[in-house]
Amino acid sequence: DAGITQSPRHKVTETGTPVTLRCHQTENHRYMYWYRQDPGHGLRLIHYSYGVKDTDKGEVSDGYSVSRSKTEDFLLTLESATSSQTSVYFCAIRERDQPQHFGDGTRLSIL
Amino acid sequence: QQPVQSPQAVILREGEDAVINCSSSKALYSVHWYRQKHGEAPVFLMILLKGGEQKGHEKISASFNEKKQQSSLYLTASQLSYSGTYFCGTAPQNRDDKIIFGKGTRLHILP
Repeated sequence: DAGITQSPRHKVTETGTPVTLRCHQTENHRYMYWYRQDPGHGLRLIHYSYGVKDTDKGEVSDGYSVSRSKTEDFLLTLESATSSQTSVYFCAIRERDQPQHFGDGTRLSIL
Repeated sequence: QQPVQSPQAVILREGEDAVINCSSSKALYSVHWYRQKHGEAPVFLMILLKGGEQKGHEKISASFNEKKQQSSLYLTASQLSYSGTYFCGTAPQNRDDKIIFGKGTRLHILP
């Protein structure tokens, strides 16, 4: 299995609070991705990274920011969480022309 | 641009065949197929990079048409373990690292 770890695995927080999710890899893969998954919407791309300090927006980036200061870590931040951001968040890693490998997901509930 | 998957859902009896389609309005760089079971992370099935390509993995195979706008996933002699939701992910020609997923096809296999 690809070495990819998401933390935390579960989180419950209140509207308006900041939240940071972490994706850590031990594979030295260039590309890292953050998706959210909601019923009826499949996997939607939030942000992705194509190298250290190189990131780009996905389909649903509003309300989210990311940072990648080193190859192994990709952080997703909700500056002020809203109930609409309650979701399951998946991180994925890959090399060019290779498949994505997904982490186990983070279940985030915003009350 | 999100690819369009069809059908949205399929119910089969064990041993029957299924085809899942994934289409885009523009030529693609690649197509990725994944299966996801409830409560788990998506699992990689196949990646297609070349127009006209066909690939097989046991009783599961996939094709990518010459124009690189459509892909199909073929499930032959389905087994109970094939149940789950199937996603296609596509990367556009001008941004081969930006992988967007369709909404998924739910497959349920009856004994």
